[in-house]
Amino acid sequence: AQSVTQPDIHITVSEGASLELRCNYSYGATPYLFWYVQSPGQGLQLLLKYFSGDTLVQGIKGFEAEFKRSQSSFNLRKPSVHWSDAAEYFCAVGPGNNNDMRFGAGTRLTVKP
Amino acid sequence: DTEVTQTPKHLVMGMTNKKSLKCEQHMGHRAMYWYKQKAKKPPELMFVYSYEKLSINESVPSRFSPECPNSSLLNLHLHALQPEDSALYLCASLPPLRITSTDTQYFGPGTRLTVL
Repeated sequence: AQSVTQPDIHITVSEGASLELRCNYSYGATPYLFWYVQSPGQGLQLLLKYFSGDTLVQGIKGFEAEFKRSQSSFNLRKPSVHWSDAAEYFCAVGPGNNNDMRFGAGTRLTVKP
Repeated sequence: DTEVTQTPKHLVMGMTNKKSLKCEQHMGHRAMYWYKQKAKKPPELMFVYSYEKLSINESVPSRFSPECPNSSLLNLHLHALQPEDSALYLCASLPPLRITSTDTQYFGPGTRLTVL
């Protein structure tokens, strides 16, 4: 069964510093991978997605992610974090055979002034 | 139009009430989903409808009853809920299969449910 793991529950970075959020997947075939962001009290917003092709994908808000098949990873990066990036970040994989989508446990990002 | 709408935005109900959540999209999507999300937790998959047929039921208690009357509409009927069912309920939908697939879920804003 497909699944994703986000090893870091909570990360704190200083404003202006670089950011990397980790995501590892388990999937039998080539996965479709996604990163979503959720601010408190808000719905889910898609940051970026990987289906095939170029392994470095660009998203909104200056985020990018790199698909590494050898490491089963799809880590999210941003070169310079802004205070408004503080939120919960979810990695997801799917759809599977029954169109199911699976989310990781999430990583909460705190940005220090 | 990629919008997924959910009504109501907020719902407060007693444990003996019967209520329904509604989700709507007009994109001809092939699958629709209900997720439950507790605070500071990821969305938990509850139900998946593929081409209007229930394809996944993640062992959800029978007090939650999904319904997909047509390809645009998804309902979640609620009856005899418990306080621990209080959560954000998210609806999502998935585009139809294409050669150049864009298998991206589109999420609605959610219904914040409080059970007293």
